[in-house]
Amino acid sequence: ETGVTQTPRHLVMGMTNKKSLKCEQHLGHNAMYWYKQSAKKPLELMFVYSLEERVENNSVPSRFSPECPNSSHLFLHLHTLQPEDSALYLCASSPHKAPTYEQYFGPGTRLTVT
Amino acid sequence: KQEVTQIPAALSVPEGENLVLNCSFTDSAIYNLQWFRQDPGKGLTSLLLIQSSQREQTSGRLNASLDKSSGRSTLYIAASQPGDSATYLCAVRRRRDSNYQLIWGAGTKLIIKP
Repeated sequence: ETGVTQTPRHLVMGMTNKKSLKCEQHLGHNAMYWYKQSAKKPLELMFVYSLEERVENNSVPSRFSPECPNSSHLFLHLHTLQPEDSALYLCASSPHKAPTYEQYFGPGTRLTVT
Repeated sequence: KQEVTQIPAALSVPEGENLVLNCSFTDSAIYNLQWFRQDPGKGLTSLLLIQSSQREQTSGRLNASLDKSSGRSTLYIAASQPGDSATYLCAVRRRRDSNYQLIWGAGTKLIIKP
């Protein structure tokens, strides 16, 4: 148990659906991240929020929309996804300070787009 | 541009053996390096974090070393056990860029045979 929880753990959705992924951290961190992990590829950083403000967005398609209402919660809103968006979506959090910025990960949401 | 490579992509060894996993990076100007473990379909668990000023870190049967000048890190696992079977990922945090972004290797899938 890392102190970062994600729901749901599994999600199957059609290309016309709208769904949301939720992440919650109980570590007192103030930076949160969304990553995409596809088979046999390095993790791809999607979004970073620090102090509830988006600080990085790595050219992610607009069908993915993040929301960070407070430092403990992070959402990823999904709409009109494509089959190639099927992947494991990981949430992480970290302190917003030196020295380590060490990231702690949730268990992930396995997303399948049909 | 920083690139992180992990070789081999997969490794299978008998139980009880000592083994070394390799991680190489192209730009020696890193802030720190982190080793993670990922069980199938699960999130990532941080194993060891080495700051750029450190040479090694130890936790139980695990020892991670860092040689910035040669752009290499190794993860040494002593007396391997079937429970060590997982994918091991390394990631570096760059000094000059955002302190939030990790550059990831694709991982080494380790199988320990009973």
